[in-house]
Amino acid sequence: DIQMTQSPSSLSASVGDRVTITCRASQRISNFLNWYQQKPGTAPKFLIYAASRLQNGVPSRFSGSGFGTTFTLTISDLQPEDCAIYYCQQSYSTLTFGGGTKLEI
Amino acid sequence: QVQLQESGPGLVKPSQTLSLTCTVSGASLTSGDYFWSWIRQPPGKGLEWIGYMHYSGSPSYNPSLRSRVTIFVDTSENQFSLKLNSVTAADTALYYCARGSVVVGTTFFDPWGQGTLVTVSS
Repeated sequence: DIQMTQSPSSLSASVGDRVTITCRASQRISNFLNWYQQKPGTAPKFLIYAASRLQNGVPSRFSGSGFGTTFTLTISDLQPEDCAIYYCQQSYSTLTFGGGTKLEI
Repeated sequence: QVQLQESGPGLVKPSQTLSLTCTVSGASLTSGDYFWSWIRQPPGKGLEWIGYMHYSGSPSYNPSLRSRVTIFVDTSENQFSLKLNSVTAADTALYYCARGSVVVGTTFFDPWGQGTLVTVSS
């Protein structure tokens, strides 16, 4: 299986900040990388597909980039409602998720 | 708006079979090119893909669970189901059903059900 490693595992930021979460794949996965947001007690919400394409309805302060083995999720102008755990997921081979990054605000 | 809802026993004894059903509303299982999926999340841990099935095709399973998993679709009820055999405490998790899509080559899950907690204990 392709291992997905997220860093940091947790971070704390303030409203208005810009934060970046990194996801690294154990082998090259082209751009077959997606991002999800999970708030406490709820199911994951789909944010970004193909590394950089924003799902309809997702605020434009969310953005993604990367190709190959290293990917980033950036949240600009952080809002209180962005407090959540963020997961990356690869679909190059057997689908796997990263371990998650807990964002506290 | 497509919605998914999991249902099934919340408690399963070790060595028995876990059985869950996902009811889809707002869309037909047979419309569109979707992969009806199961994903689980052990308490306080990350996400694990279990498998998925297209209504007209063969299922695809996570190799780590393949020997114990069956996913099947009931188009007449607009439901799909999960069976996991020979469960142990390690199978205790929040089980989600989700709709899988493939766009520009990548497979993602959207939307998801609310999840159902299954505990394996005697």
